[in-house]
Amino acid sequence: QVQLVESGGGVVQPGRSLRLSCAASGFTFSNYGMHWVRQAPGKGLEWVAIISFEGTNRYYADSVMGRFTISRDNSKNTLYLQMNSLRADDTAVYYCAKDTTRFLEWLSSWGQGTLVTVSS
Amino acid sequence: DIVLTQSPAILSLSPGERATLSCRASQSVSSYLAWYQQKPGQAPRLLISDASNRATGIPARFSGSGSGTDFSLTISSLEPEDFAVYYCQQRSNWRLTFGGGTKVEIK
Repeated sequence: QVQLVESGGGVVQPGRSLRLSCAASGFTFSNYGMHWVRQAPGKGLEWVAIISFEGTNRYYADSVMGRFTISRDNSKNTLYLQMNSLRADDTAVYYCAKDTTRFLEWLSSWGQGTLVTVSS
Repeated sequence: DIVLTQSPAILSLSPGERATLSCRASQSVSSYLAWYQQKPGQAPRLLISDASNRATGIPARFSGSGSGTDFSLTISSLEPEDFAVYYCQQRSNWRLTFGGGTKVEIK
């Protein structure tokens, strides 16, 4: 059974950094692309980033390009999102999601999310 | 970026009724479209991929259709657990985008 557990959220001041983690289990992590998707309070879904199964290919939404970095450690079955220069509009629940393939198709399994609040 | 416009924003129906949700893309996405269901306080769940393929474990009352720019999700007979928010999502290019969502609420 696929399980994705996000951690690392919390309250952070504008301009500061935060690193999110997503611990994966129940599947061969190194065989699948992984995504981060966020949802601001009361709003819809916004795709943030994707990383391919081996970590070679990474793409970002324009809204986070140059500030966020997606990475993975296949030896630890863990996905990361390093978030720098945080802004108030980055406030959201951040979900990690497993792709159906090695890179980019569909988001077949999701974690329960971790809340990031950017506020002074 | 490809913009996905979902309509209606809110659909008020009774259990047992048929629900038809629409998703329109700002340019062709071929059949690279999925539908997700999200209930309050829960993560989204993949329902339909490639416009019309039901994901594993999804009941047959859910069906998807369309290609190019116009897509629809149909729930043939609403069950109590189907009242939720539904999002479409495209993967025509690597810049994935979601629609704004349709809330299916109990009338």
